[in-house]
Amino acid sequence: DIVMTQTPLSSPVTLGQPASISCRSSQSLVHSDGNTYLNWLQQRPGQPPRLLIYKISNRFSGVPDRFSGSGAGTDFTLKISRVEAEDVGVYYCLQATQFPLTFGGGTKVEI
Amino acid sequence: EVQLVESGGGLVQPGGSLKLSCAASGFTFSDSTIHWVRQASGKGLEWVGRIRREAKNYATAYAASVKGRFTISRDDSKSTAYLQMNSLTTEDTAVYYCTGGAATGIDYWGQGTLVTVSS
Repeated sequence: DIVMTQTPLSSPVTLGQPASISCRSSQSLVHSDGNTYLNWLQQRPGQPPRLLIYKISNRFSGVPDRFSGSGAGTDFTLKISRVEAEDVGVYYCLQATQFPLTFGGGTKVEI
Repeated sequence: EVQLVESGGGLVQPGGSLKLSCAASGFTFSDSTIHWVRQASGKGLEWVGRIRREAKNYATAYAASVKGRFTISRDDSKSTAYLQMNSLTTEDTAVYYCTGGAATGIDYWGQGTLVTVSS
């Protein structure tokens, strides 16, 4: 199974300041079809997960442009350009390149 | 408005069975892969399995932890997916989410349904 490792586990942030989360996979996430199926999800307190970013850097419908994704191969990053209060929650990376799909352990973003 | 609504959760004894449903609306269900994901209390997310659309022969795949015990199915005429869970253990206690969508298969998420396995 592909192991997804997120850092940091917890990220105290200041409103209006940037935040960054890293995700590293135990093997390359490049699929044989040429795509890299690395996704980012947000889970606010008491809420289900919500898709933010798919295939490394594509923002899903309705996701604010302060969220951006980057990376390649085994190293990926989610950035929040200016943290807002509604961004508090746990962020997960998810690889869908290979079965079984696997999630990172989560990064808690708190003010 | 897109909605995925899970139902069927509850308390079940170890060794018992339960069938969850996931009713979808607001998007083309028949074009979508559907995944089931679970989350134990205070823990992270764990992928359970998925079922593809008709054009992909309704192919299924499962996590090793549930393979042979859980079965995913779907009824496109009802825009509903199912998760049949047999031989349940306390390790299966979690909130179960269904997720789907034509773009990525995880575009939209339900609110989840709680399954508690306890004697």
